[in-house]
Amino acid sequence: DAGVTQSPTHLIKTRGQHVTLRCSPISGHKSVSWYQQVLGQGPQFIFQYYEKEERGRGNFPDRFSARQFPNYSSELNVNALLLGDSALYLCASSLDRARGNEKLFFGSGTQLSVL
Amino acid sequence: AQSVTQLDSHVSVSEGTPVLLRCNYSSSYSPSLFWYVQHPNKGLQLLLKYTSAATLVKGINGFEAEFKKSETSFHLTKPSAHMSDAAEYFCVVSEGGFQKLVFGTGTRLLVSP
Repeated sequence: DAGVTQSPTHLIKTRGQHVTLRCSPISGHKSVSWYQQVLGQGPQFIFQYYEKEERGRGNFPDRFSARQFPNYSSELNVNALLLGDSALYLCASSLDRARGNEKLFFGSGTQLSVL
Repeated sequence: AQSVTQLDSHVSVSEGTPVLLRCNYSSSYSPSLFWYVQHPNKGLQLLLKYTSAATLVKGINGFEAEFKKSETSFHLTKPSAHMSDAAEYFCVVSEGGFQKLVFGTGTRLLVSP
């Protein structure tokens, strides 16, 4: 079975541009979460989506948005890119959304570089 | 807000010797705690999780962790390190009514022959 897949694996953008990152969860998983990992730090929670609805949002500006499609895949969009948005963006999927029952499976991430 | 503190940024051990990675947590109620491992150019992998069923939690690859409420600790141990254990390890706590994971800053485990 395929794991969580993310595309692209690497991306280079310039300041002010827009970027879309994509994630396909494990088959049967209905929850998708997005995390940002800046070099040398632990991942930070951005969003959780379950059944196509936003269920949780981290402390990120409105330039960050996401959506989940009927097939449970997800997109993370970032507008007006800043140098500080350079990071590894991780997608994770799980069967459900209940706290305490988490078993998240992470993809290998998209490495975004903003120049 | 819940948080975790990883007490060592780097830990160096020799192959075959015990591993101890330290983590303290801060939580206003009974937490869900996890250890994740991140190998270079690979995704995060769940090692083990604590959800109040038992204080000693066994995970994959011979790792285990003990939840100590009195010390607010959740240290990760392994009796004998293997070269393949070299990686970044994250202590994690779950926060909120949804699956928001709060990661520590990570501990880089170095294993020498």
